[in-house]
Amino acid sequence: NAGVMQNPRHLVRRRGQEARLRCSPMKGHSHVYWYRQLPEEGLKFMVYLQKENIIDESGMPKERFSAEFPKEGPSILRIQQVVRGDSAAYFCASSRPGQAANYGYTFGSGTRLTVV
Amino acid sequence: EDQVTQSPEALRLQEGESSSLNCSYTVSGLRGLFWYRQDPGKGPEFLFTLYSAGEEKEKERLKATLTKKESFLHITAPKPEDSATYLCAVQAKQGGSEKLVFGKGTKLTVNP
Repeated sequence: NAGVMQNPRHLVRRRGQEARLRCSPMKGHSHVYWYRQLPEEGLKFMVYLQKENIIDESGMPKERFSAEFPKEGPSILRIQQVVRGDSAAYFCASSRPGQAANYGYTFGSGTRLTVV
Repeated sequence: EDQVTQSPEALRLQEGESSSLNCSYTVSGLRGLFWYRQDPGKGPEFLFTLYSAGEEKEKERLKATLTKKESFLHITAPKPEDSATYLCAVQAKQGGSEKLVFGKGTKLTVNP
């Protein structure tokens, strides 16, 4: 059981470029969540997805950010035209349907995005 | 708005010196309160979920308790390997959302 896999671990982008962050959930997990951790800040919820559906995107910035979880393949968090303020650690978590509360959400090791 | 406040921000203990971390919360109907451990450069690792006031859970040297307004993480006779940032998060009942609201964490350092 490989756990939640995120790649890349580190990503450097110049201002204005696009960043694509990938997350493969644990085997058997069909729910995916993205969180952002800014320096000296707590983890902030961004979006909750199930296969082919966005369930809750209340934490996503209205512009430049999008997320998907296709039927096949990993979940993708996409940030267009990155700015320095997007520099943060982005964590993905996954869970089985109905079991998140009992067993917690399993987090990946994160992608550290640096915008230069 | 749901909020979580953790204190202290940082705590230094000597090996064997027991202490407690605090998590105060306000939430519109608590579905669950979560404790996680986070090591540098890694993602949070699940420790406990508490559901209702009076509930307690234990794991090795850690014991989590819950009241209607706060939760405590008690660390008994800590060891250097307990050094980490401990995160508290709440999940609200309303709206059916699964999102967690996290505090900023308590950074624990246990010196040998």
